[in-house]
Amino acid sequence: DAKTTQPPSMDCAEGRAANLPCNHSTISGNEYVYWYRQIHSQGPQYIIHGLKNNETNEMASLIITEDRKSSTLILPHATLRDTAVYYCIVRPTQGGKLIFGQGTELSVKP
Amino acid sequence: DTGVSQDPRHKITKRGQNVTFRCDPISEHNRLYWYRQTLGQGPEFLTYFQNEAQLEKSRLLSDRFSAERPKGSFSTLEIQRTEQGDSAMYLCASSLGGAGVSYNEQFFGPGTRLTVL
Repeated sequence: DAKTTQPPSMDCAEGRAANLPCNHSTISGNEYVYWYRQIHSQGPQYIIHGLKNNETNEMASLIITEDRKSSTLILPHATLRDTAVYYCIVRPTQGGKLIFGQGTELSVKP
Repeated sequence: DTGVSQDPRHKITKRGQNVTFRCDPISEHNRLYWYRQTLGQGPEFLTYFQNEAQLEKSRLLSDRFSAERPKGSFSTLEIQRTEQGDSAMYLCASSLGGAGVSYNEQFFGPGTRLTVL
């Protein structure tokens, strides 16, 4: 079973920041937080991952709380092309399979 | 294009027939994963290989399913005696993995959509 909890859906206005929350209260010390997204009819796409520090790349920022029990994915300026299902996944440092939950369906509206 | 490729993209078959799907990973990736995704659900892990070795299989992988990666490059997933419940998107992903590898995010292919009539 997935070790994360996410809201099933969210809306965001185009050009605004999209903040997607994720709860992972049972995360272990050796587990990373990963985010993937899946645009309709495509395979999932890696976005970002982190252990305990905040991370930023060209796609998004990841904010992890100090106790590591929750995190937030931030898309700073959402576009219509960011409409997708976003999955938050916890995963051991050595890698291996991904266990997907239901994800959050983000709709970016003009 | 140097991404993960899957063939065919779509397959329609009749119940009871056998089907085989192929996945070609990113060339330098030693790990290859198979997932299955039904409508409205997240992908579910089926199995993965490191080089030629099949390291883990899900309980979802019944004895009608078999996966191979004979030379550590491409992989095939075969479903024997298909059932209507096998209708799904079959996704393949590849990554680096193993001791000393810290950069191991998975890159997914476009999937093969199977419809069993």
